[in-house]
Amino acid sequence: QKEVEQDPGPLSVPEGAIVSLNCTYSNSAFQYFMWYRQYSRKGPELLMYTYSSGNKEDGRFTAQVDKSSKYISLFIRDSQPSDSATYLCAMSEAGNMLTFGGGTRLMVKP
Amino acid sequence: DSGVTQTPKHLITATGQRVTLRCSPRSGDLSVYWYQQSLDQGLQFLIQYYNGEERAKGNILERFSAQQFPDLHSELNLSSLELGDSALYFCASSVVSETYTQYFGPGTRLTVL
Repeated sequence: QKEVEQDPGPLSVPEGAIVSLNCTYSNSAFQYFMWYRQYSRKGPELLMYTYSSGNKEDGRFTAQVDKSSKYISLFIRDSQPSDSATYLCAMSEAGNMLTFGGGTRLMVKP
Repeated sequence: DSGVTQTPKHLITATGQRVTLRCSPRSGDLSVYWYQQSLDQGLQFLIQYYNGEERAKGNILERFSAQQFPDLHSELNLSSLELGDSALYFCASSVVSETYTQYFGPGTRLTVL
């Protein structure tokens, strides 16, 4: 079993929908939680990061961490076709070595 | 554009060969990280250097090695290549060592035939 599990999708939604992306993990020592967006054939781009439990909002994006359940989420409001990409969750104990989920491919249809 | 550069973009080689991948971090960043992304294993941390010294090691094979030079650029050396080494290799950089704020380069696509 992998340390970080993520549904690979693909997840197809209509433009304007609210998207929910999730990861579960097994290592209780993880303290830093990140979401990266990766367009095809490009490097991952950091979207959101949170430390420990709680919520964080940035524009259309909201990240949630529930350490008691070992579950993290990323919500995208008013999704746009330009949001179509693979979303990777990542976690770290000390902030340097990142452990990634396998990624969820999101398709937002106009 | 993250400011991290990687060369070459693509590399095609044969089994048993050795290749070197190069990474230049963002200006001012002291830490460099190497990751491998394959279809079956996903994105995996290989190794981290901070200001010329090895700081952390992940699941890096013994056939792979890396170094960071005084000008802070880094090279990842892959030897005795196998078909399974075909993957995207990403370099990331950050200002300090213990940070989740890592900026990824565009990657080098390695194909081993």
